[in-house]
Amino acid sequence: EDQVTQSPEALRLQEGESSSLNCSYTVSGLRGLFWYRQDPGKGPEFLFTLYSAGEEKEKERLKATLTKKESFLHITAPKPEDSATYLCAVQAGASYDKVIFGPGTSLSVIP
Amino acid sequence: EAQVTQNPRYLITVTGKKLTVTCSQNMNHEYMSWYRQDPGLGLRQIYYSMNVEVTDKGDVPEGYKVSRKEKRNFPLILESPSPNQTSLYFCASSFESRGTEAFFGQGTRLTVV
Repeated sequence: EDQVTQSPEALRLQEGESSSLNCSYTVSGLRGLFWYRQDPGKGPEFLFTLYSAGEEKEKERLKATLTKKESFLHITAPKPEDSATYLCAVQAGASYDKVIFGPGTSLSVIP
Repeated sequence: EAQVTQNPRYLITVTGKKLTVTCSQNMNHEYMSWYRQDPGLGLRQIYYSMNVEVTDKGDVPEGYKVSRKEKRNFPLILESPSPNQTSLYFCASSFESRGTEAFFGQGTRLTVV
């Protein structure tokens, strides 16, 4: 069964303290891996799509990487406005049109 | 402005009373889908549609119906809501089904009593 897990469940960082969020997946035939940011009471907002192992993408303080079994979202020198829940999702398997989300990592950045 | 619009944003209803949550997108996207989000379970896909008149089940389709008669609209229908369908619902659209970013609506918080 296709599965996506994320760790840690919650992360509390001091402003400027860099860290990484993990997304592990067990799927066959990965089509794409997505990272989204979700603020309380709002819909997820797209950040990145990664298609193959070794691929990296960057946006401001965020950098996403992909291996054959997991993806990392690296946050460099975070600011309080980076506080949000970060969601990972995959499209894979026999039905490429389905999307499977992980449970998310809740990030708090303390000034 | 490119957007996905859901209505209503909040809804309280009683068990068994049919309801429809509307979803409309103005980006001419082919792919649309519905999700529910529950604490500890994350976002789970209910139904998706790859184009007009083409729909398929996601992971949690029981108790829901959808239709796609026009490209821009993708309503979610609960014919006989039950308390276990109390949740936060999101509609999303993307240019195509595979490997493209999704735009999400603002969400509909449904409570079934």
